[in-house]
Amino acid sequence: GAVVSQHPSRVICKSGTSVKIECRSLDFQATTMFWYRQFPKKSLMLMATSNEGSKATYEQGVEKDKFLINHASLTLSTLTVTSAHPEDSSFYICSATTGRNYGYTFGSGTRLTVV
Amino acid sequence: GNSVTQMEGPVTLSEEAFLTINCTYTATGYPSLFWYVQYPGEGLQLLLKATKADDKGSNKGFEATYRKETTSFHLEKGSVQVSDSAVYFCALTPMDTGRRALTFGSGTRLQVQP
Repeated sequence: GAVVSQHPSRVICKSGTSVKIECRSLDFQATTMFWYRQFPKKSLMLMATSNEGSKATYEQGVEKDKFLINHASLTLSTLTVTSAHPEDSSFYICSATTGRNYGYTFGSGTRLTVV
Repeated sequence: GNSVTQMEGPVTLSEEAFLTINCTYTATGYPSLFWYVQYPGEGLQLLLKATKADDKGSNKGFEATYRKETTSFHLEKGSVQVSDSAVYFCALTPMDTGRRALTFGSGTRLQVQP
């Protein structure tokens, strides 16, 4: 079946540094990838939608200069949290779809802790 | 806009009990409906889905029926196991292409005791 690999699974960084999270579709071409943020015991909040070769579309309230998304190929999307602060600590999850048959595949998530 | 409402958790059951997790939605047209499960520290796994009214999705003993008249997609299982303990999310996507992001409910934590 479709597999999405998300890396790293956990990362701890110092306040003010940047962190890059990768999301790869291993056995299919993802026309669209989504990035979600999940707060403790809360639902997933959509941050942005990215299509290969296009600029990401950010949801209202999400700072595009802080959360840089690149979708350079049909199998790779990256989320870079720039100048991270403790309030950016969260669980980030990516999802990829081929756009057919409502097949959404999720990565295993990245636990970001900013200290 | 689209929204999904789930029952508040946690839901605590004994092994072999019957499970119902309520889910209702608000959307224009006929969205596709999903149930996802999240185990501790992991991402989401698709449990089942239904793409049109009256469809029944089923998997691993779980079932949910797409009820257009009541805008509901309640999750049921006849006999839960300890291994079913997880957080369950109801979700929808608009009817068009399946390329739009999912809208999730708040999640319901299920705890099954031996």
